[in-house]
Order: sequence, then C-alpha cells, then structure tokens
Amino acid sequence: QKEVEQNSGPLSVPEGAIASLNCTYSDRVSQSFFWYRQYSGKSPELIMSIYSNGDKEDGRFTAQLNKASQYVSLLIRDSQPSDSATYLCAVKGGGFKTIFGAGTRLFVKA
Amino acid sequence: DTEVTQTPKHLVMGMTNKKSLKCEQHMGHRAMYWYKQKAKKPPELMFVYSYEKLSINESVPSRFSPECPNSSLLNLHLHALQPEDSALYLCASSTGLADYEQYFGPGTRLTVT
Repeated sequence: QKEVEQNSGPLSVPEGAIASLNCTYSDRVSQSFFWYRQYSGKSPELIMSIYSNGDKEDGRFTAQLNKASQYVSLLIRDSQPSDSATYLCAVKGGGFKTIFGAGTRLFVKA
Repeated sequence: DTEVTQTPKHLVMGMTNKKSLKCEQHMGHRAMYWYKQKAKKPPELMFVYSYEKLSINESVPSRFSPECPNSSLLNLHLHALQPEDSALYLCASSTGLADYEQYFGPGTRLTVT
C-alpha cells in the first residue's frame, strides 16, 4: 500500500513566523511531489511542485525534497493569518495515480 | 488561465433521482479526473480520463458513471445514490497523465437525502 504521511496538526504559529510542514512517502519510485492549500469548504489550490532533490522557492514558499529519505517539506516564511488552511502533500509515483496525504491544519495567530 | 469550472456548485438529490455533474476546462489539458472528498479527509480518486478515454477506474460503484464527450468536458452521471455518497466532488485536469500538476475546479457539494 503506497502511503503519504503528514502530521494532522493543528500546527499553530504566530504571525510573521516560519511554518514548517512535513510529509513522508513510502513509494521509492515516486518522481513528482506537490503541495496544495485547501481552505475550509473550498477545493485544493496548487502551491508548489518539486521534482528533484533540493530546495525550490516561490515567494514566501519553499519546498524541500530529499528522495533518499523519502521526505518532502514546505516552509512558509512570514506567515500570515490568511495562510491558515489545510496543506495537502501529494505524491505521484510510478503509476498515474496521485496519492494525497491526510493534510496538516495550520493556524497562524495574529 | 488555469481555470477549471464545475456545475452545479451545490446539488441535493433523493436516492431515486438521476443527476449529472459537469466539469469544463479550456487549458488544452488532455487528462481529467474525478475525485470525491469527505469532510476532513484527502481527495479520493474515482476516475481518470486521458485523451477522452477512461484510463483509471478506482473500483467505483456503478451508480457513478463518468463520461468524457470531448477534450474539454467531463461529466459524472449519478443514479440511485446513497446518503453516504454525500461529499464534495472535485474535478481536476492536467497536461497529461505523467508528472504534471493537477488543477482543481471549485467542486460540487452533493447531498443525498
């Protein structure tokens, strides 16, 4: 059973702090990794994609991938209350199916 | 333009009704997906179409019937649903089936009474 694991949270950080969200996956042949943000009652919104080891930065967001450790993370710098949402880690492996983690709920306190 | 549209936004149907959900994208994507999402759970894949052909059916009950009339449209026909089928139904699309990003529509909130 291919799995994607995330800490369900809630993760609570003060406004302006760095939020660190983590994800591990079980399928070693996984090649594509995605982070989605989902507000309550809304659909998932793609934030970042990462395909190779290392860091990828986009604005306040940095995705980090370590395929040897089967670990992917998302850092949110200068966290804002509007960042409060559930963050879904998604992994696409050797097949055509994307597997989603259960999500981490993030609260940013003003 | 990374927009996927879905209609209707909300749907309430009885267990004997027949209804359809509609999804549309104009990004030239050739892969389209239906997901089901229950509260506080991740999206659960139902069907995948690639180049208008059904590529993946995740053992979904036959009361859900997908259709892809052309490369821009994806329908999900519903018949004789159960209350436990109440959920958010999400459509997504991507350039292809491989390592491409999926873009989600806003979803249809379905309630089966």
